[in-house]
Amino acid sequence: EVQLLESGGGLVQPGGSLRLSCAASGFAFTNSAMSWVRQAPGKGLEWVSSISLVSDSTYYADSVKGRFTISRDNSKNTLYLRMDRLTADDTAIYYCAKGGGVKPHFDNWGRGTRVTVS
Amino acid sequence: EIVLTQSPGTLSLSPGERATLSCRASQNISSSYYLAWYQQKAGQAPSLLIYGASSRATGIPDRFSGSGSGTDFTLTISRLEPEDFAVYYCQQYGRSRWTFGQGTKVEIK
Repeated sequence: EVQLLESGGGLVQPGGSLRLSCAASGFAFTNSAMSWVRQAPGKGLEWVSSISLVSDSTYYADSVKGRFTISRDNSKNTLYLRMDRLTADDTAIYYCAKGGGVKPHFDNWGRGTRVTVS
Repeated sequence: EIVLTQSPGTLSLSPGERATLSCRASQNISSSYYLAWYQQKAGQAPSLLIYGASSRATGIPDRFSGSGSGTDFTLTISRLEPEDFAVYYCQQYGRSRWTFGQGTKVEIK
């Protein structure tokens, strides 16, 4: 069974930083592109970032480009999102999702971790 | 960037009725493979329903079907079950960007 478990969310002041993690299990992590998708309170889904199998390609939404950095550690089956210069607009639930590469859809999602910038 | 517009915003229907949800793209989506649909129940993470515009994801019942190409796509739920009342999102991929529609809420009438 595919499992994606996010952690690292919390309350942070504007201008601050956080690093989110996503521990993956139940599938061949090294064979899957991975992504982050967020959802602001009461709003819809917003794609944030994606990373290729061996980290040679990374992609970012314009709203986070230059502030967020996606990375992965295939030896630990873990996906990361480093978030810097956070603003209130970054307040959201952040979901880790499997997919975003050759498969341009997200076929498994974690339960999310909440980030509040205030 | 391709913008996806979903309609209607809210669909009020009774169990057993047919639901038809629309997703319109601001530009042609180069391949139907790049269009997907998700279901999100209250308080839960989204889950994949349809990929490639018309292929059901693993475990999705056949009352869910997707169709369309180019700029116009449709998700149909043939007979609504109580567990189908949720928010539905379409999503597309193009030029190293992924975008979602704003969602359609299917609520119990």
